[in-house]
Amino acid sequence: QSALTQPASVSGSPGQSITISCTGTSSDVGGYNYVSWYQQHPGKAPKLMIYEVSNRPSGVSNRFSGSKSGNTASLTISGLQAEDEADYYCSSYTSSSTPLFGGGTKLTVL
Amino acid sequence: QVQLVQSGSELKKPGASVKVSCKASGYTFTSYAMNWVRQAPGQGLEWMGWINTNTGNPTYAQGFTGRFVFSLDTSVSTAYLQISSLKAEDTAVYYCARDPYGVDIVATSDYWGQGTLVTVSS
Repeated sequence: QSALTQPASVSGSPGQSITISCTGTSSDVGGYNYVSWYQQHPGKAPKLMIYEVSNRPSGVSNRFSGSKSGNTASLTISGLQAEDEADYYCSSYTSSSTPLFGGGTKLTVL
Repeated sequence: QVQLVQSGSELKKPGASVKVSCKASGYTFTSYAMNWVRQAPGQGLEWMGWINTNTGNPTYAQGFTGRFVFSLDTSVSTAYLQISSLKAEDTAVYYCARDPYGVDIVATSDYWGQGTLVTVSS
């Protein structure tokens, strides 16, 4: 299976909002509501930010939100802060009964 | 609180084997599946497979069959990843990560170990 498609990089200024897309197929993103988003700072383990398309784990800022339309899921970060600069990965449950990651997106806060 | 603590970095020669441990605490180990994820230097996350911590049954992703083995010691709440016949391209950080949906489905990872760097070099 090929990785889910994410933009290689996105950028935004502090206070702005950005959106990262994650495109798959009807066999993964489009077929299930098990889309997750992870944040990874350099040298650190990934951190779960969104699960089941739009749910935030306890302790995750409400500046992070998720959505899905068809085969594309999106992560939106509002009120961008310097600490949001990191790599972001999406993942989805698939028809193979396994998860599949996206290629990752590097977020730069200008 | 839930914690996954992995063993330290390893430097191995090609052809050798390595065993990475992942000790869980703060929850009932056998109630949640454990995923293994690889991240090669400068690359993205790659799901390697998972192990049912209740039955011990492992499932391997494509590309991770043959040389990769997942195992458990439930008496000490620890999962293991063993890689044999190491190659330079196995150089990566390996993560264990708990799946929150129990032991019958793997769809996400809510808690992650800190990662174990395995370096394969002659």
